[in-house]
Amino acid sequence: GIQVEQSPPDLILQEGANSTLRCNFSDSVNNLQWFHQNPWGQLINLFYIPSGTKQNGRLSATTVATERYSLLYISSSQTTDSGVYFCAVETASKLTFGTGTRLQVTL
Amino acid sequence: EAGVVQSPRYKIIEKKQPVAFWCNPISGHNTLYWYRQNLGQGPELLIRYENEEAVDDSQLPKDRFSAERLKGVDSTLKIQPAELGDSAVYLCASSLDRREAFFGQGTRLTVV
Repeated sequence: GIQVEQSPPDLILQEGANSTLRCNFSDSVNNLQWFHQNPWGQLINLFYIPSGTKQNGRLSATTVATERYSLLYISSSQTTDSGVYFCAVETASKLTFGTGTRLQVTL
Repeated sequence: EAGVVQSPRYKIIEKKQPVAFWCNPISGHNTLYWYRQNLGQGPELLIRYENEEAVDDSQLPKDRFSAERLKGVDSTLKIQPAELGDSAVYLCASSLDRREAFFGQGTRLTVV
């Protein structure tokens, strides 16, 4: 099956810093989503982004499907950004999650 | 618009007992997923429904797990009998035509 790798696995930032999270996938996909899993376990949709670039406030995402990767940018990070960030890719058979990036934003 | 609703939120049972989880997807969503998430890992697909048909259940441990989606709307996931290794968070998600997927809050199962 498809492999979805995320980097870095762990990230600690001071409040106000910027960061880039990466998602690499091993095969062609129909679509790609980014989720934030908050400390209570809820998976929150951030972006539905099969290709191109989207922005939503301090967050933006870019997917280059031909090169099989996607990037999530977080600017001016806040403590509420803490949690685990997952990318998930949809193939013909199923929606597969990546390994996740655990982000901790400190004061 | 209501999101994906799951119940119960938490369940503690003794091993060998049965347990059931319920999911109400977003109205109009034809695709429904059940995932299991172990501590520190990403969600893993158990079963996917297109309307009332199970189209991908290759990861469902069929000796003890069963699922159904009545009339292509609500769905239940059952484990009988539960084992200690089944302790995890069980997540339900829905989407329209396998586009953007939306997740419920999950059911945290503890088997003792």
